[in-house]
Amino acid sequence: EAQVTQNPRYLITVTGKKLTVTCSQNMNHEYMSWYRQDPGLGLRQIYYSMNVEVTDKGDVPEGYKVSRKEKRNFPLILESPSPNQTSLYFCASGRRTMNTEAFFGQGTRLTVV
Amino acid sequence: KQEVTQIPAALSVPEGENLVLNCSFTDSAIYNLQWFRQDPGKGLTSLLLIQSSQREQTSGRLNASLDKSSGRSTLYIAASQPGDSATYLCAVQLSDQNFVFGPGTRLSVLP
Repeated sequence: EAQVTQNPRYLITVTGKKLTVTCSQNMNHEYMSWYRQDPGLGLRQIYYSMNVEVTDKGDVPEGYKVSRKEKRNFPLILESPSPNQTSLYFCASGRRTMNTEAFFGQGTRLTVV
Repeated sequence: KQEVTQIPAALSVPEGENLVLNCSFTDSAIYNLQWFRQDPGKGLTSLLLIQSSQREQTSGRLNASLDKSSGRSTLYIAASQPGDSATYLCAVQLSDQNFVFGPGTRLSVLP
């Protein structure tokens, strides 16, 4: 089954404790991306990757890091999480060509206390 | 900068009604527009993708239209059912899979 898998689904952590949210897709997609969703602000892009070893900043990259060492994986790293990073995070993937669907993971609800 | 808005923010209708959700975007230079459905605790599910050269797309009881020049799209849901209750998001693709999302319309269909 074609899918984008995020882990963990739920996470509560403390300020400053490094964490990684994993994202994996099994569709051989070149493109992967991370979004955060906040009430009243909609989904905003954090980082995206057009292919292995290629990453670019989205609209809200501050406080986040990503890596793309393999085509299927695109982890999101919070080196020093802060409460304003409490949010619902989505990973997405798609083929690089235009006019194709984007596939989303089920989301990771992160709470930083 | 591209901005996407959706009206209404929330909608509650009795089962069986036909309804229209609206999406507006400020810059007509888009590659396509996608409508997604989001259920609580779940990810986004793509419903319809309309390419910039198309005017509409249909899937079952769903029909989406696109008027690129005026920066508008509508999602029409026929004969609504309680299972249609969800948040509906529209997103415009600018380039290379870069999407800008609207804030969503929260739909409740009452049995």
